Amino acid sequence: KAGVTQTPRYLIKTRGQQVTLSCSPISGHRSVSWYQQTPGQGLQFLFEYFSETQRNKGNFPGRFSGRQFSNSRSEMNVSTLELGDSALYLCASRQVLGELFFGEGSRLTVL
Amino acid sequence: AQKITQTQPGMFVQEKEAVTLDCTYDTSDPSYGLFWYKQPSSGEMIFLIYQGSYDQQNATEGRYSLNFQKARKSANLVISASQLGDSAMYFCAMGVLIQGAQKLVFGQGTRLTINP
Repeated sequence: KAGVTQTPRYLIKTRGQQVTLSCSPISGHRSVSWYQQTPGQGLQFLFEYFSETQRNKGNFPGRFSGRQFSNSRSEMNVSTLELGDSALYLCASRQVLGELFFGEGSRLTVL
Repeated sequence: AQKITQTQPGMFVQEKEAVTLDCTYDTSDPSYGLFWYKQPSSGEMIFLIYQGSYDQQNATEGRYSLNFQKARKSANLVISASQLGDSAMYFCAMGVLIQGAQKLVFGQGTRLTINP
């Protein structure tokens, strides 16, 4: 069974640009969550999607948004990038409740 | 609000020794789950073990066991017979239900180094 797949793995952007990250969950998993990991703030919850609906959102500005498609694949978008958005963005999937299965992350560097 | 505290930023252990990674938590919810994840340098978070707040027995998964002391609000991870491949960051997390959705709150992590 394939794991959670995130693309791209690495990317470099400049301030003011926007970025879209993609996540393909484990087959059969309908819930997708996104987390941001930085050295200073650690792992922080961004949002969770279930059956194309956002069910929960963390304490992040409106520049961070996401969506989920009918095949459960999810994308997150960050607009007007700031230096502080440099981070590892982790996507995780699960069936309904229980343990999250994470991807390897997308490492974003903002210059 | 929920909070996870991991007081050990780094630990160094000799190969084949047992190691305990500390985790304390704070929540007012009666129902919650406690998770441990391992993060190697590749970045992927690998699920290790889970303990439900109503579980009577401590969880075990192979070389991993969770020492759950509910009254003390602690959920320490014990790794028996450590191996070089155990070197990684370890995160304790608490899962809580908010409006029907589950959110994980993570601690700051402990970097474990296994010495040969």
